[in-house]
Amino acid sequence: RKEVEQDPGPFNVPEGATVAFNCTYSNSASQSFFWYRQDCRKEPKLLMSVYSSGNEDGRFTAQLNRASQYISLLIRDSKLSDSATYLCVVNAGNFGNEKLTFGTGTRLTIIP
Amino acid sequence: SQTIHQWPATLVQPVGSPLSLECTVEGTSNPNLYWYRQAAGRGLQLLFYSVGIGQISSEVPQNLSASRPQDRQFILSSKKLLLSDSGFYLCAWSPGPSPHEQYFGPGTRLTVT
Repeated sequence: RKEVEQDPGPFNVPEGATVAFNCTYSNSASQSFFWYRQDCRKEPKLLMSVYSSGNEDGRFTAQLNRASQYISLLIRDSKLSDSATYLCVVNAGNFGNEKLTFGTGTRLTIIP
Repeated sequence: SQTIHQWPATLVQPVGSPLSLECTVEGTSNPNLYWYRQAAGRGLQLLFYSVGIGQISSEVPQNLSASRPQDRQFILSSKKLLLSDSGFYLCAWSPGPSPHEQYFGPGTRLTVT
């Protein structure tokens, strides 16, 4: 089983729609979770951290389910500029371990 | 605010030639530093990370090496490039200690011919 698994997509979604991505992770000891977005041929950029209680940033909502070991990202009222690859990221789990594990990403295209 | 620089932005090198990629961070001290490679259509592969000057951890055995001669400088090197070394090389930093988000530089796109 991969450490971090994501549906690669592509997701083709009309502008204004709501889209949700899920990501599963294998290490139950993982403590930190993030969503990054990566535009074509660019570096990944931090979108948001994922907290146990769930968190919202504008049109974006992230949730964590520790029991089932999955993380979700919800994008409401999608914009053309949301088109990108979304990377699910999990830390390795051991406190003091400096590594993050990146999923291979879910590709999203917003259609006008 | 913190910024991270990488150069060069693109590089085309013949097989067997040496490589040196540089990464510097501004606006912070004692960052954790990371080198990743992303092959075309693939995920990020962690190559090296460093928690301090002269401290390098290698994740994948290969013909690459890393050095951290100064607190905010991280260098990726190779003595002889292979075709399989082609890819998008990304440097990242985090405030450390774990666990923290990482922030990426603009990357170097390397093509080995």
